[in-house]
Amino acid sequence: GAVVSQHPSRVICKSGTSVKIECRSLDFQATTMFWYRQFPKKSLMLMATSNEGSKATYEQGVEKDKFLINHASLTLSTLTVTSAHPEDSSFYICSAGLGSGSNQPQHFGDGTRLSIL
Amino acid sequence: AQTVTQSQPEMSVQEAETVTLSCTYDTSESNYYLFWYKQPPSRQMILVIRQEAYKQQNATENRFSVNFQKAAKSFSLKISDSQLGDTAMYFCAFMKANQAGTALIFGKGTTLSVSS
Repeated sequence: GAVVSQHPSRVICKSGTSVKIECRSLDFQATTMFWYRQFPKKSLMLMATSNEGSKATYEQGVEKDKFLINHASLTLSTLTVTSAHPEDSSFYICSAGLGSGSNQPQHFGDGTRLSIL
Repeated sequence: AQTVTQSQPEMSVQEAETVTLSCTYDTSESNYYLFWYKQPPSRQMILVIRQEAYKQQNATENRFSVNFQKAAKSFSLKISDSQLGDTAMYFCAFMKANQAGTALIFGKGTTLSVSS
């Protein structure tokens, strides 16, 4: 079946470091991928929509200069948390639809647990 | 704007029993999709079941079934013969139809605990 791979699964780094998270669709092409953030025991909050070959669409309140998104190919989107601070610590998870049609369910990566010291 | 409401933050059930998780939503769209996702302690997001709004028949996947009431904008999940492995956080989600590249809108989730 369709699989979305997310890497790394866990990152611990010092404040001020930039961290890159990759999201890959392994056996299908995804023109659109989504990045979510999740706090413990809370729901997934959409951060941005990643569009292949064009700029990402950010949700209100999400700093685009803080959370850089690149979707350079049909199988890879990256989220870079720039100059990370402890308040950026969270669980980040990506998803991709199986096809361009909206009737396809989204498949999720396994998430990245980011801890900023 | 679309909203999804899950009014039960926590639920508990004994093994082999049946439990129903509630979900209501609000939308002005006539065509859309509804989903239930499961997130166990591993934090993987697992699709449990989905329903197309234009279909009147309730979706069923093995022990999981939904009660979809379009007029009432209600989409509850029934888990029959509960198993310990069903322990997880369950999210109800909404997605517009006929619009490629649309994100899911999630409810706040219900934490389900299944005990022996």
